[in-house]
Amino acid sequence: AQSVTQLGSHVSVSEGALVLLRCNYSSSVPPYLFWYVQYPNQGLQLLLKYTSAATLVKGINGFEAEFKKSETSFHLTKPSAHMSDAAEYFCAVRGSGYALNFGKGTSLLVTP
Amino acid sequence: GAGVSQSPSNKVTEKGKDVELRCDPISGHTALYWYRQSLGQGLEFLIYFQGNSAPDKSGLPSDRFSAERTGGSVSTLTIQRTQQEDSAVYLCASSLRDGQSNTGELFFGEGSRLTVL
Repeated sequence: AQSVTQLGSHVSVSEGALVLLRCNYSSSVPPYLFWYVQYPNQGLQLLLKYTSAATLVKGINGFEAEFKKSETSFHLTKPSAHMSDAAEYFCAVRGSGYALNFGKGTSLLVTP
Repeated sequence: GAGVSQSPSNKVTEKGKDVELRCDPISGHTALYWYRQSLGQGLEFLIYFQGNSAPDKSGLPSDRFSAERTGGSVSTLTIQRTQQEDSAVYLCASSLRDGQSNTGELFFGEGSRLTVL
């Protein structure tokens, strides 16, 4: 079955510092991978997705992720954190049906 | 509407009561999903509807949970004889039918927060 593991339930960075949120996947087929963001009391919003085209995927709000098959990873990065980036981030992989299988999430805290 | 709409946004109920949660998907989206989000547990898949096909109920945690989708649009998630462990945010999402440029992106509503006392 397709699944993802997010390393680190909480990540804290200083404003202006690099953001790195880790996600590893397990899939028996070429995966479709996603990063979603959830702001407090809101639903999930798509940041970016990998669908077997370019391995470096650029998303909204300056985020990007690189698909590395050799490492089965799809880590999310942003060069410079902003206070407004504080949120919950979820990595997901498309399952054998059509539903997405989500990781447990990583809460990003940005400090001044 | 422009996005996925869920109601109620908040529901407080007593243990043992039945609750109904409603989801109105994006117009034209034939696929509809229910997820449950519990604190520290990520998103748990519950059920998936695709057009008029039989739903994928593999994620429903017990027979107290059921869902239906009328006319291929609005869906209702019903929880019977609620228990305290049912307290969570229930998220609905919709997507285009696979084959219509659908790479699996789901569009989420803001959720229904259920509290069982």
